Amino acid sequence: ETGVTQTPRHLVMGMTNKKSLKCEQHLGHNAMYWYKQSAKKPLELMFVYSLEERVENNSVPSRFSPECPNSSHLFLHLHTLQPEDSALYLCASSQERTDLYEQYFGPGTRLTVT
Amino acid sequence: QQQVKQSPQSLIVQKGGIPIINCAYENTAFDYFPWYQQFPGKGPALLIAIRPDVSEKKEGRFTISFNKSAKQFSLHIMDSQPGDSATYFCAASRDSNAGNMLTFGGGTRLMVKP
Repeated sequence: ETGVTQTPRHLVMGMTNKKSLKCEQHLGHNAMYWYKQSAKKPLELMFVYSLEERVENNSVPSRFSPECPNSSHLFLHLHTLQPEDSALYLCASSQERTDLYEQYFGPGTRLTVT
Repeated sequence: QQQVKQSPQSLIVQKGGIPIINCAYENTAFDYFPWYQQFPGKGPALLIAIRPDVSEKKEGRFTISFNKSAKQFSLHIMDSQPGDSATYFCAASRDSNAGNMLTFGGGTRLMVKP
């Protein structure tokens, strides 16, 4: 596996379900991100983890709960979601505190809330 | 103000044409301006990036023009090809000790007709 991988690629869940999205980066980076991509707000930053500590929340509802157990893995735990949460959820990683600002994105998880 | 405004929302050109996508920003603390390209079913990928100390950067058929005084930058695609059909996002970032925070524009859906 190379780059940034995300599982599952597609997820359908009811509003009462609990599910988790997984992201793994194989690039040796030390910062990871969750973005929400929808028709209304194309690329919306949700969470940032730098050196495994959360540094940015961006006022995301508590029904989204991130977890970063180590620098290579990032999870997004979902519970009691709303239909408007249906979107593409993208994970990204970067190397912080260098001259390189590039973020590498995974392919995303397409989430549908019914 | 963290907003980055991108135009147009969609663009159709003939093969060989030169599509131009424009972005404007407010925050003068931004010091890195990347463009990302996204194909359907894929995450965004870095295309080209510029810093405010230069007014133009070329990589292959892609050129960024940067106007620091106007707080605007644009992407030009020379000799466009049908394979360039994708969604393009401009972004801006500032030096930060808390992850590389990218603020994205709203995206431009480009179609290059054969």
